[in-house]
Amino acid sequence: EADIYQTPRYLVIGTGKKITLECSQTMGHDKMYWYQQDPGMELHLIHYSYGVNSTEKGDLSSESTVSRIRTEHFPLTLESARPSHTSQYLCASSEAQGKEQFFGPGTRLTVL
Amino acid sequence: AQKITQTQPGMFVQEKEAVTLDCTYDTSDPSYGLFWYKQPSSGEMIFLIYQGSYDQQNATEGRYSLNFQKARKSANLVISASQLGDSAMYFCAMRELGGRRALTFGSGTRLQVQP
Repeated sequence: EADIYQTPRYLVIGTGKKITLECSQTMGHDKMYWYQQDPGMELHLIHYSYGVNSTEKGDLSSESTVSRIRTEHFPLTLESARPSHTSQYLCASSEAQGKEQFFGPGTRLTVL
Repeated sequence: AQKITQTQPGMFVQEKEAVTLDCTYDTSDPSYGLFWYKQPSSGEMIFLIYQGSYDQQNATEGRYSLNFQKARKSANLVISASQLGDSAMYFCAMRELGGRRALTFGSGTRLQVQP
């Protein structure tokens, strides 16, 4: 069973607020990912990390930022949330040469 | 660039019947991995089955099997003996084998199992 956690599961906030979505995994995986998914649509990669102090932008442009100070922790931050940021955000991790990506339960963000 | 195509936005199946969800892919890499994930209404992504491009046999996991036709670049998911709990979105995905090893997803198929 995957040990990857995301908090909060649901978040409703007002425009202009700063928010941080938390993602943690206890499997010691080097690679971590953030995907964004609009309702009923496919997932798009927005950020990834090869390991500590390594972060890169993904395929879908995003105004969010990420950090990787510890192996197990990969938080995503929005400095000033807007209604266009309303979406589900899914965190995932995998071993360097692993077959499977393990997903967290996701955070459903609504910006009013 | 990799591309995944799922042409069935929605599918209906009767309980206990088998159903096939279609997936075609495009890549210039000779080595790749193909995945199917299930996403119930709660939103989490549940891994179902994996097929490597060099695997000689089609992958199977319980009631799930992957009909891999490499020359046609298709990787269809077959669910046998459908259950009401199978109602969900199903995503086909391809993984890059080098570098990021991120997943590229198709647009998904919503499966509804009817009693």
